[in-house]
Amino acid sequence: EVQLVQSGPEVKKPGESLKISCKASGYNFNTYWIGWVRQMPGKGLEWMGFIYPADSETKYNPSFQGQVTISADKSITTAYLQWTSLKASDTAIYYCARVTPHRAFDNWGQGTLLTVSS
Amino acid sequence: EIVLTQSPGTLSLSPGDRATLSCRASQRVSSNYLAWYQQKPGQTPRLLIYAASSRATGIPDRFSGSESGTDFNLTISRLEPEDFAVYYCQQYGRSPQFSFGPGTKVDIK
Repeated sequence: EVQLVQSGPEVKKPGESLKISCKASGYNFNTYWIGWVRQMPGKGLEWMGFIYPADSETKYNPSFQGQVTISADKSITTAYLQWTSLKASDTAIYYCARVTPHRAFDNWGQGTLLTVSS
Repeated sequence: EIVLTQSPGTLSLSPGDRATLSCRASQRVSSNYLAWYQQKPGQTPRLLIYAASSRATGIPDRFSGSESGTDFNLTISRLEPEDFAVYYCQQYGRSPQFSFGPGTKVDIK
C-alpha cells in the first residue's frame, strides 16, 4: 500500500526556519515525482514544486521560487519542504503527493498544518 | 501561463441529481494531463479522474470525465450524500508545470 506520512503540525514565529517531511512507503520512491501543494485557510490548492528523488531534480512554481526549498533523501525515502524565514502569510496546510506518469497526484500525505504567528 | 477557470463556483443540487462541472483552460491542455479531485471539509484531496476521462482506483462509475477542445467536464450521474464537496481540476503543462482551478463547491439544495 502506497503511503505518504507527513510530519506533525507546527507553530512558529515570523523569521524562524522550518523543515517539514514526507515519508514515503509502499512503492519505488526513486521512480515517481513528489509534489508539494499549499492550501491556505479556506482557499484552494496551489502547486509549489516537485522533486524527482532519483536525481533530486526540482522544479518550482515561479510564485514559490526562492521562498521554499524542496529536497529528498533517497536513503530514507523522505521528501522535505523548508523555509529559512517564515512569514505570517505562510500559514497554511502543506500536502505532499505522489505524481503519476499522467501527471496527476494520486496519493497524498495527510497534510502538515503550519501556523506562523507572533 | 495556463489558467484554469472552473464553473459554476457553487452548484446547489439534491441527492439523485446529475451534476456537471466545467473546467476551461486559457490555452490548450493535453487531455493526457488533466485531472479532477474531490475534497471534503477537513480532508485530503482525492484523485477522481486522470487523463481527462480515466477513473482513478476505487472511484465509483457515477463519476466520469470528458473533454471538448479546451473545455473539460466532470459529471456525477446521480449525486450521493457523500458527493457534496469541493471539486478541483488540475493540469500539467508549461510553466507553471502544474496548476489547479479555483474549485467548484457542490452543496445540498
